[in-house]
Amino acid sequence: QVQLQESGPGLVKPSQTLSLTCTVSGGSISSGGYYWSWIRQHPGKGLEWIGYIYYSGSTYYNPSLKSRVTISVDTSKNQFSLKLSSVTAADTAVYYCARGVEQQLVYFDYWGQGTLVTVSS
Amino acid sequence: QSVLTQPPSASGTPGQRVTISCSGSSSNIGSNTVNWYQQLPGTAPKLLIYSNNQRPSGVPDRFSGSKSGTSASLAISGLQSEDEADYYCAAWDDSLNGLNYVFGTGTKVTVL
Repeated sequence: QVQLQESGPGLVKPSQTLSLTCTVSGGSISSGGYYWSWIRQHPGKGLEWIGYIYYSGSTYYNPSLKSRVTISVDTSKNQFSLKLSSVTAADTAVYYCARGVEQQLVYFDYWGQGTLVTVSS
Repeated sequence: QSVLTQPPSASGTPGQRVTISCSGSSSNIGSNTVNWYQQLPGTAPKLLIYSNNQRPSGVPDRFSGSKSGTSASLAISGLQSEDEADYYCAAWDDSLNGLNYVFGTGTKVTVL
């Protein structure tokens, strides 16, 4: 059973960079075939896909966030990470990491429990 | 603002059938498969339906999905108290800005 766990600071100051890590257990990121993703949910609101990375390092980002997002992978630690720069209060959200699997198109079959990140001075 | 529109709420009594709609356009539902996620209160979303009508292992068969044109639907037959949750449709959207995975506005299902 694959499990994902997010970690990182719960509070980030405006204009700084939000950094989160997702640790994967029960499966190897480098085994291939999956798209390791970040998705967020603003308080009381809907879901927003941020982007994903393939084990090879290739990435794809939400066009509306692309200029501020970097997703990277560390196969030696079985982790992948999110960096979101120049944050504002609008980036306050619960951030989820998830595994994307491709069958016809990619969908997300395993999710972490989520971590709340608040942007405030 | 989401490009996939769902009714904000739906309700039913135990045992009833509840249907949730998801309206999109030719750039998303009209040309790509639809997935559905269930989010129980205070928890992460869980995959419920993928590729329009496929259930992952462990999802009860009283959950079913369908798609027609630029709309999709999720049906819950034999509604149970544990089905009280938020439900989101999702699909890839191929717009001028590029490819983006978009979620619906969400529907809160209440079991009366």
